[in-house]
Amino acid sequence: EQQLVESGGGLVQPGGSLRLSCAASGFSRVSFSEYWMHWVRQAPGKGLVWVSRIVGDGSSTSYADSVRGRFTVSRDNAKNTLYLEMRSLRGEDTGIYFCARGRAVGRFDLWGQGSLVTVSS
Amino acid sequence: QSALTQPASVSGSPGQSITISCTGTSSDIGAYDYVSWYQQYPTEAPKLIISDVANRPSGVSDRFSGSKSGNTASLTISGLQADDEADFYCASYTTSRTLVFGTGTTVTVL
Repeated sequence: EQQLVESGGGLVQPGGSLRLSCAASGFSRVSFSEYWMHWVRQAPGKGLVWVSRIVGDGSSTSYADSVRGRFTVSRDNAKNTLYLEMRSLRGEDTGIYFCARGRAVGRFDLWGQGSLVTVSS
Repeated sequence: QSALTQPASVSGSPGQSITISCTGTSSDIGAYDYVSWYQQYPTEAPKLIISDVANRPSGVSDRFSGSKSGNTASLTISGLQADDEADFYCASYTTSRTLVFGTGTTVTVL
């Protein structure tokens, strides 16, 4: 079964840092390294917001304006794992962070269960 | 990048058809045929139901259909059923090489 499992969420103070991981498994016919991967977040009771994307070989990344310069997306294809390094965290970064498999232009066809990040003092 | 605009809520009776609109700009929906739609139940991850404006992934009910005209995309649910009660989100690729989601629509089956 193909699945994505996020980890690394938790409570962090404003200005702090956190690293999320997303472990992929069960990608049979097409390997993890051939997919664009994305991060999407959802504040409590609010809608979905796209955060970042990374190409299969890690050579190209994009970010939403709200996180550019503070968040860094990366991947380790040998470990089938996607990462999101978050720095200078703010209260408005609070929410569930989902990793999603897709194409460069979207089409998120596989999602993780999400990891909760709470930024509060 | 501002969120795409969706109605906050849409309702209908079982068996009826409803349509959810998703309005963007010439820099996102109007620029490409890369609009997708997602269904999300409470406490669950979203599920892809439409991609590339009107394509249904394997396993998705044919009661869901998508279309686009200009800067507005639409999702139609026909033969409304009780388990269609969920939140629905549109998303589009943008000319800034980013993605943007809609504000979300809660569907209620009366």
